[in-house]
Amino acid sequence: LAKTTQPISMDSYEGQEVNITCSHNNIATNDYITWYQQFPSQGPRFIIQGYKTKVTNEVASLFIPADRKSSTLSLPRVSLSDTAVYYCLVAGRDSSYKLIFGSGTRLLVRP
Amino acid sequence: DVKVTQSSRYLVKRTGEKVFLECVQDMDHENMFWYRQDPGLGLRLIYFSYDVKMKEKGDIPEGYSVSREKKERFSLILESASTNQTSMYLCASSFARLIRPNNEQFFGPGTRLTVL
Repeated sequence: LAKTTQPISMDSYEGQEVNITCSHNNIATNDYITWYQQFPSQGPRFIIQGYKTKVTNEVASLFIPADRKSSTLSLPRVSLSDTAVYYCLVAGRDSSYKLIFGSGTRLLVRP
Repeated sequence: DVKVTQSSRYLVKRTGEKVFLECVQDMDHENMFWYRQDPGLGLRLIYFSYDVKMKEKGDIPEGYSVSREKKERFSLILESASTNQTSMYLCASSFARLIRPNNEQFFGPGTRLTVL
């Protein structure tokens, strides 16, 4: 059964780069990797998505090695407002749909 | 701006009651999803729908059913609520011309259901 594993929590300080890694050993050929951010009392919000190598947008980068068994979300120069829970999602379709969220990483950014 | 709304933010029901959770999206999305979110378990897919009257089971469909009579509305039904269904329920929608589960999902704010 496919499973995604993330660290439960991470601490950082304002201005630092934060890297959160997700392990997905059983990822299938057609699966994509997506990261979401969730603040208290809100639903998750899309951050970034990728299939392989590196993807960058205005808020984050996503690094995916060649074997695709893990992925790393990189947040450059975090601020207090980046304190949130971050989820990785492995999604795809073979004989049926698959949407596997990790259990989330609680990031605390300190002043 | 995509908007996904859920009928209630908080709901308290009694064991054995039939519970309806409603979700509406305003972006003409084909796909709609219901998840439950529990501490330490992340989000788990209950059901999703890729078209009106179409549905597929997710990872934890037991004890739940769904209804999608109109494109913009997706309902989650607990036929006979139990205490182990106390949870946060999140609805989401996504655009998909083809059936691609990797499309960005837009989430509602969630309904915190307590079953006594």
